[in-house]
Amino acid sequence: KAGVTQTPRYLIKTRGQQVTLSCSPISGHRSVSWYQQTPGQGLQFLFEYFSETQRNKGNFPGRFSGRQFSNSRSEMNVSTLELGDSALYLCASTSSGGGNTGELFFGEGSRLTVL
Amino acid sequence: QKEVEQNSGPLSVPEGAIASLNCTYSDRGSQSFFWYRQYSGKSPELIMFIYSNGDKEDGRFTAQLNKASQYVSLLIRDSQPSDSATYLCAVNINNAGNMLTFGGGTRLMVKP
Repeated sequence: KAGVTQTPRYLIKTRGQQVTLSCSPISGHRSVSWYQQTPGQGLQFLFEYFSETQRNKGNFPGRFSGRQFSNSRSEMNVSTLELGDSALYLCASTSSGGGNTGELFFGEGSRLTVL
Repeated sequence: QKEVEQNSGPLSVPEGAIASLNCTYSDRGSQSFFWYRQYSGKSPELIMFIYSNGDKEDGRFTAQLNKASQYVSLLIRDSQPSDSATYLCAVNINNAGNMLTFGGGTRLMVKP
């Protein structure tokens, strides 16, 4: 069974640009979450999607957005990039239905560097 | 005050010893608690979850939960050098969906 796949793995952008990251969950998993990981702030929740609906949202500015498609694949977008957006962006999927398991399967991440 | 707190370490233990990792959380309504392990340069992986007060054992790992004192701990028996990693405590604070709040992690070093 293939794991969570994230693309691209590495990318470099400049301030003011925008970026789109993609995540393909494990087959059959309908919940996809996004997290930002930085050395200073650790792992922080961005948002969760379930059946194409945003179910939870973390404390990030509106520049951070996401969506989920009918095949459960998800994308997140960051507009007007700032230096502080440099981070590892992790996508995680879970097989939980409407419930809450917290058993997240993480992808390898997309490492974003903003110059 | 952070919602989930862990000692950043490093916690150094000799091979074969018991490693004890601790975590405190601020929201009394939290219902589910998780321990993730993250090797350097890798993504986190779930090793234990616990929902009820008391102990939960899985192989060499034991998770302990005390809701009255708002702490959760992870014991690793017979520690191996391969257990050297950062251990992340996570709490589902609002008990809706899969939104986890993570602690900063404790780096564990197991010395041969």
